[in-house]
Amino acid sequence: DQQVKQNSPSLSVQEGRISILNCDYTNSMFDYFLWYKKYPAEGPTFLISISSIKDKNEDGRFTVFLNKSAKHLSLHIVPSQPGDSAVYFCAAKGWGGGSNYKLTFGKGTLLTVNP
Amino acid sequence: ETGVTQSPTHLIKTRGQQVTLRCSSQSGHNTVSWYQQALGQGPQFIFQYYREEENGRGNFPPRFSGLQFPNYSSELNVNALELDDSALYLCASSPRTGVGEQYFGPGTRLTVT
Repeated sequence: DQQVKQNSPSLSVQEGRISILNCDYTNSMFDYFLWYKKYPAEGPTFLISISSIKDKNEDGRFTVFLNKSAKHLSLHIVPSQPGDSAVYFCAAKGWGGGSNYKLTFGKGTLLTVNP
Repeated sequence: ETGVTQSPTHLIKTRGQQVTLRCSSQSGHNTVSWYQQALGQGPQFIFQYYREEENGRGNFPPRFSGLQFPNYSSELNVNALELDDSALYLCASSPRTGVGEQYFGPGTRLTVT
């Protein structure tokens, strides 16, 4: 049973436009959410995170939005650049002794930004 | 500040053999987590070590085991390798357990034939 879902395996956008990557979760115990970017032959790189007490967090070109009632979060990249082309993973962390130490990942979305 | 490093980069083993993967955590980080990433999937949590003790474990059989050393580096050992163990093994460190942000190494690509 997948607790973090990224339903779009791939996304293609033009340079300069907005990229929107989506993520849904099912576990109500999740209280912290992260986005990672992964290039081939490298480990995932932390991009941005958001706590469940917030609905938006911004860092430069990257903004993460959280809709707790819908159990949905999204990553917006504006403007998109060719160097942003990578696989993006959504991850979640729970609270409490049973799950506050591990990240649960989605399957990832391959973003391609065309020049 | 040195990031997370892993060795070896690639490894080919035969079914039934044993393998040891190594990880050095980022400077100042006392917590190490291991993940398995199969092709086309997201990383799956194997276990975490905090101050040399196993702090939590995912749904992996006992033939997956680990160690953490006083300098916070870590090993992942897999016994009786199976073909399905072929994957990218990722190590991640964090300044303490319970922190959301984990910082990943480049991974070890294990192929079991």
